[in-house]
Amino acid sequence: NAGVTQTPKFQVLKTGQSMTLQCAQDMNHEYMSWYRQDPGMGLRLIHYSVGAGITDQGEVPNGYNVSRSTTEDFPLRLLSAAPSQTSVYFCASSYRGSETQYFGPGTRLLVL
Amino acid sequence: ELKVEQNPLFLSMQEGKNYTIYCNYSTTSDRLYWYRQDPGKSLESLFVLLSNGAVKQEGRLMASLDTKARLSTLHITAAVHDLSATYFCAVVGWSSGYALNFGKGTSLLVTP
Repeated sequence: NAGVTQTPKFQVLKTGQSMTLQCAQDMNHEYMSWYRQDPGMGLRLIHYSVGAGITDQGEVPNGYNVSRSTTEDFPLRLLSAAPSQTSVYFCASSYRGSETQYFGPGTRLLVL
Repeated sequence: ELKVEQNPLFLSMQEGKNYTIYCNYSTTSDRLYWYRQDPGKSLESLFVLLSNGAVKQEGRLMASLDTKARLSTLHITAAVHDLSATYFCAVVGWSSGYALNFGKGTSLLVTP
């Protein structure tokens, strides 16, 4: 198993550009989530999904869209990037009854 | 809304000393995680605490959980430089699909 993979590892955007952060897992996990990490703020939940076709907002959803068309993939879309979205983004997955949350390696995003 | 508070946020300690990091959370949850993060890296799972009174130990780290007080502690015994990192506690939010609510983290620096 590759676990949770995220691409790209690092990205520079200009204000107003759009992009998609990719997250994939090959463990057939139903639960997936996106977090952003900013200095001194810990990790904050952006969006989460409890299964294919089901998504919901977390603590800081503004400026981000998600969809979950398959169990494996949970992409995070920035429609119009802003400097405030400069952050490190982590994707995680788990399954019902599991004690373990599996984190991806992260994507570092810089918006100029 | 589930809130998680950690203290202290910064901790500088000498090698060989003992110290405790505290994690308080605001609403009922029976699953608490401790993670370690090194600079530029993803999260490394340290402990999962599932029930009141749970205690787990790994090397110089010991974590405990008091669900009645909504408090978890991470105790460091005889610190060594290799323990320098940021430590996060996180609590499962059952209303958000097993996603985690994180504390802001404790940045630990162990000096000679």
